Amino acid sequence: QSALTQPRSVSGSPGQSVTISCTGTSSDVGNYNYVSWYQQHPGKAPKLVIYDVSKRPSGVPDRFSGSKSGNTASLTISGLQAEDEADFHCCSYAGSYTLVFGGGTKLTVL
Amino acid sequence: EVQLVESGGGLVQPGGSLRLSCAASRFTFSNYWMSWVRQAPGEGLAWVANIKEDGSEKRYVDSVKGRFTISRDNAKNSLFLQMNSLRTEDTAVYYCARLAGTWDRPLDFWGQGTLVTVSS
Repeated sequence: QSALTQPRSVSGSPGQSVTISCTGTSSDVGNYNYVSWYQQHPGKAPKLVIYDVSKRPSGVPDRFSGSKSGNTASLTISGLQAEDEADFHCCSYAGSYTLVFGGGTKLTVL
Repeated sequence: EVQLVESGGGLVQPGGSLRLSCAASRFTFSNYWMSWVRQAPGEGLAWVANIKEDGSEKRYVDSVKGRFTISRDNAKNSLFLQMNSLRTEDTAVYYCARLAGTWDRPLDFWGQGTLVTVSS
C-alpha cells in the first residue's frame, strides 16, 4: 500500500501544456486501467477530472487528457488557464477493493 | 445534485475515539460503494476505507486496520467511520466520497470534509 509517486510541483504559462506523472507498480497502475485524477483548489473538496486512465466526466474541458504507459500514468493539461492552478492527485485501484493515491502535485500557472 | 455532508470531527487526545458520520442525499445511497479518504495538513489525499453497497465487504488501509471501522445505514442514507486508539498521525480532514457504482469506479462525488485533530 505504498503511495503513488507524483512530482511535488509543476508550472507553466497560460496557453502552454503541462504533464503530471504518476508512478506506481505492477500491483496497481500497471495492472489495472482504473487510474483517476482529481483537481483540488485550496480549501475545497477534490473534483474528478479523469477516470479509467483517459475518460473525462461530463463538464470537464477536453484540455484535460490522461494516458498510461506501463506503471506510469500521466495527466496533460493543454492551453493552460489561470483557473487550472490547483493541486492534482492521481489514484489507482490496487486490488482487493482497495485504492491508493499519489502524494499530490501543485500546478502553478505563471 | 448529489450531496454528502460529513460531521463528527473535532479535537481528541491520543488514544481517544471519534465517530464520523456522512449524510447522503439526492441519490440512491444503497446502490453505491462508499469511501473515506483523508488529507493530513499540507499533504496529499490518502484512501482510508471502502464499503460495499450492502455493507458485506469492507477494506482498510493497513495503518488503520484494527482501529477504524467503516459502516453504513442504508435506511438512514448514512455512512460512518468509527475511529479508536487515535494517533497524532491520524490528524487530517476526512472526506466521505461516493464510488460511481461498484468497486472499480472512480470517486465521483465528495463531501466538504470534517477536520479531526489528535493532540494532547
